[in-house]
Formats: sequence, structure tokens, C-alpha cells
Amino acid sequence: RKEVEQDPGPFNVPEGATVAFNCTYSNSASQSFFWYRQDCRKEPKLLMSVYSSGNEDGRFTAQLNRASQYISLLIRDSKLSDSATYLCVVLMNTGFQKLVFGTGTRLLVSP
Amino acid sequence: DAGVIQSPRHEVTEMGQEVTLRCKPISGHNSLFWYRQTMMRGLELLIYFNNNVPIDDSGMPEDRFSAKMPNASFSTLKIQPSEPRDSAVYFCASRIAGAPSNEQFFGPGTRLTVL
Repeated sequence: RKEVEQDPGPFNVPEGATVAFNCTYSNSASQSFFWYRQDCRKEPKLLMSVYSSGNEDGRFTAQLNRASQYISLLIRDSKLSDSATYLCVVLMNTGFQKLVFGTGTRLLVSP
Repeated sequence: DAGVIQSPRHEVTEMGQEVTLRCKPISGHNSLFWYRQTMMRGLELLIYFNNNVPIDDSGMPEDRFSAKMPNASFSTLKIQPSEPRDSAVYFCASRIAGAPSNEQFFGPGTRLTVL
């Protein structure tokens, strides 16, 4: 079983739609959680951290459910510029702090 | 401010040739990571350096791969001999060890094609 699992998509949504991505992780000792964004043929960049209480950054909301080992990202009022691949990332302590990346969920927002 | 710098950006080589990828981390960052990204396997950690010392190389596929960090501002990833299955995008990333955000800053990547 992969350490971090995501639906690869693609998710095709119209502008203005709300879309949600889910991610599950296998190691219950995982410490911290993040969403990274990767544009086509570009490098990954941190989108937001995910806190136990849930957190919001503008149109983006991240949630964590430790009991179910589940992380989500909600995007409201989708923009064309939101089209990208969203990587679920888990910080594990394996002797050192290691980021483990999911394979990503691709989002396509159309006019 | 300059981000992580990688060179070359693209490399096309023939099977059996030696390939050297280069990385300059962000000044002041003391942790450096090499990743490989493919469609099938996603982003995989190859090796991690802290203060120029390799901490974990368990992700290095085999002896054909080697990495060095001779100083705080330079690292190389070498593949010798290269094989077609090594074709991927290789990213270098850096961060400040112990920073609360744990954010890693990625370079633009080197797109490697082995024919």
C-alpha cells in the first residue's frame, strides 16, 4: 500500500465550481500535512499546511481527520488559474523528517 | 532572491553515458534533497543531505546513482551508466532544517531523457 494515496483525476470542472480532493495516508505516526501545487512542467510549490482544526486561505480550505488518516482540500469558486496538479504531502519522522508525496490529483478548470 | 538553481534544464543522452545533474540550494538553507518524478511513481526522494552530510540515501535506486555535496552551495547527482528507465524529471529542493513550516523549495528540475 502506498504511504500517501490520491485519486489521480483529472477532475474537470467549470469556472466557479466547488471541487474537493481527498487523500489518505498509511502511517498513523505522521506529524504534519501539506498541500503542494504543481503546474504543468513546473516544480511543486507549497500551497498550504493542514492543521488539525482545519484551516482556510481565501478560496482554499484544508481539513485533517487523524482518526481516519484522511486529508482534504476544498477549492471554492474555481478559477482557470487553479488548473494544476495538487499533491498531498505527509511529514514523517523516520529518523529524520521526511516529506512523502502523493502522486497528485489533476484539476482542469474550463471556461 | 534566487531560488534553487538546477542545471542543465534538459538533458538527452544515450544509454550507457554518464549524466551529471547540478544543484545550487538557496543561500542559508542547510538541507538539500534530490527527488525523481515520473508519471507512474510520482515524486520519490532519492537522497537527503543535512549540513552537506548524506543522511539518508535509501531512495537511491542502485549503485549507478551517486550524489555529492562538497560544500553548502553545490550538489551533484550522477548516473553512470545511464539507462532508458532513468528517464524522468529530477528535482533538487532545499530548506532550513528545523524551520517550523517544513517547507521545501524546489528548483525548476532537470528533464532527463535516456535513449
